[in-house]
Amino acid sequence: AQRVTQPEKLLSVFKGAPVELKCNYSYSGSPELFWYVQYSRQRLQLLLRHISRESIKGFTADLNKGETSFHLKKPFAQEEDSAMYYCALSRYNTDKLIFGTGTRLQVFP
Amino acid sequence: EAGVTQFPSHSVIEKGQTVTLRCDPISGHDNLYWYRRVMGKEIKFLLHFVKESKQDESGMPNNRFLAERTGGTYSTLKVQPAELEDSGVYFCASSQDTGGPPVLTFGAGSRLTVL
Repeated sequence: AQRVTQPEKLLSVFKGAPVELKCNYSYSGSPELFWYVQYSRQRLQLLLRHISRESIKGFTADLNKGETSFHLKKPFAQEEDSAMYYCALSRYNTDKLIFGTGTRLQVFP
Repeated sequence: EAGVTQFPSHSVIEKGQTVTLRCDPISGHDNLYWYRRVMGKEIKFLLHFVKESKQDESGMPNNRFLAERTGGTYSTLKVQPAELEDSGVYFCASSQDTGGPPVLTFGAGSRLTVL
């Protein structure tokens, strides 16, 4: 069965420090991977997806099929990055998203 | 453009009662999804509508849950009778059919508390 694992429930860093939110998945086929973010008192929203190979708000994520990982990285964290981050997977050609349990990122001033 | 709207934002009911949650997707979005987050656990897929048809309802927990999308516009999710373990936040999302990976727009969620 497909599964998404986010091993850290909470990640705390100081402003300006690098950030890496870990995401590992299990799926034997070709996955499509996403990062969703929920800021305080806001809705869950798409941050980025692996097929776009884009950088959003300074965040990047690279799909590593060998390690079955899709870690989210940012070189210099900002206070406004504090939020709940969810990694999600969908199987090729399906619409169903499988989410991880989420990681709360706290960026201190 | 109006986003995905969910009602009510919070519902508190007693075990055995019935609750109906409503979702209005973004106009023109054929795809509508229901997800649920139970405290401390991951956000789990419940079902997916394409227009008025149920494309995938593999995540529905049991027959106490009934989802409808008459006319392919808004959707309702009814829980009858509610149990304690149904407490959680129910999210609705919608997307356009782009032929590629889904890009979901989520509503604010409906928090259900069953006492």
